[in-house]
Order: sequence, then structure tokens, then C-alpha cells
Amino acid sequence: SQQGEEDPQALSIQEGENATMNCSYKTSINNLQWYRQNSGRGLVHLILIRSNEREKHSGRLRVTLDTSKKSSSLLITASRAADTASYFCARTGGYQKVTFGIGTKLQVIP
Amino acid sequence: KAGVTQTPRYLIKTRGQQVTLSCSPISGHRSVSWYQQTPGQGLQFLFEYFSETQRNKGNFPGRFSGRQFSNSRSEMNVSTLELGDSALYLCASSSSTGPTDTQYFGPGTRLTVL
Repeated sequence: SQQGEEDPQALSIQEGENATMNCSYKTSINNLQWYRQNSGRGLVHLILIRSNEREKHSGRLRVTLDTSKKSSSLLITASRAADTASYFCARTGGYQKVTFGIGTKLQVIP
Repeated sequence: KAGVTQTPRYLIKTRGQQVTLSCSPISGHRSVSWYQQTPGQGLQFLFEYFSETQRNKGNFPGRFSGRQFSNSRSEMNVSTLELGDSALYLCASSSSTGPTDTQYFGPGTRLTVL
């Protein structure tokens, strides 16, 4: 079974609005990464946040990590139609173990 | 640097056949991981190879196997195909440390089993 989930599974917003996606996990992690996947294609790396970090920014993306709650969130500000994609968090633990969630499908309506 | 390449991009097979998929990682990357993606199960980890050794394995039957060559190129093989094996198979490479660093994904191989 998946060790953690993204929430919500689907999200539909208007262009210009902010989108927030959450990721929960069950076991301790070394770091957590967010990836984007456009329909039927490979995944593109967005941000890596280490377990000792609480927040990271990259352009319009902001990722937070709360290890006490075993959760992370990805915020996309001022969304664009091109942000329409599925977003996955990948929890990375010991022994090079990487676990992906089922993803959040984001639709940005122009 | 060239990205991760996967061949073929599309495959159609029938039940009972076997298939081999190929992945060429980014130059200098020694870790190659394979994932199966289906609509119902999401991305599921198959296995990871590092310097020609399988370092991690997911919960898949023995019909799924892989190997890595000395140039870090990797292949995965699925024998006795079943309808449920229809999926997008993704390969990802990462640095000398392994997949807990940033992974770079290929475009995937879309396998359809009839």
C-alpha cells in the first residue's frame, strides 16, 4: 500500500488563483520531493525539501514540511493554465527507498 | 546533457508474451529506478539498480526483472504478460548517491497488453 497520500485527489481552480496540495506520510523521511507530470508523460522534478527544513521557495512554488505532523504542502501561487498537471510527492527514507503517492490532479481553468 | 531516454515509447503485446524495455540514464548517473504507473495504483516502485546491482525491489512478482549494464543503461523484462501489466513504465536516473536525490524521469514506455 502507499505510505501516505496526496490530498485532494483532484482540484479545479480559475487561472490566477492559488492552488494548495497536501501530502501526508507515515514513516520518517530523509527528504521529500515534489514532482509534476503532464498528461501521460514523465515526471519533472519541482522541489526537494530536507527533513531539517521547514519551507522552501522556487518561483511561484512554496513547499512546507511539518515533520511533527508528517505532512507537507505545495502551494502554487497565481496559477496559470500551463500548471494543469498531476502533482506527486515522493517520500525518501532510508536505504534509498522512495515512495510516491497517488497524486493530485490539478486543473487550471483559463 | 541529454535527458533520460526510454525505448520503445509504445508497445502492444498479447497475453503470455514477454517484453523488454530499455532505459538510458543521464550521463554520469549510476542509479536507475523503474516505476509502473496505472490509473488505479498510481506510481509503484519496481526496482532500483546502482552500479549494476539491484539495491531495492518493490512488491512485484518474479515475472518482473531487470538488469543494469556497466554503462548504467538498464533494461526491464516482463515475462508471461497479463492484461493487468498494461501501464506506463517510467525509468528515472539519479546521481551517484541514489534515488533519494533528485530523480530525472524519462518519457516512459506505454505498454498495452491485449
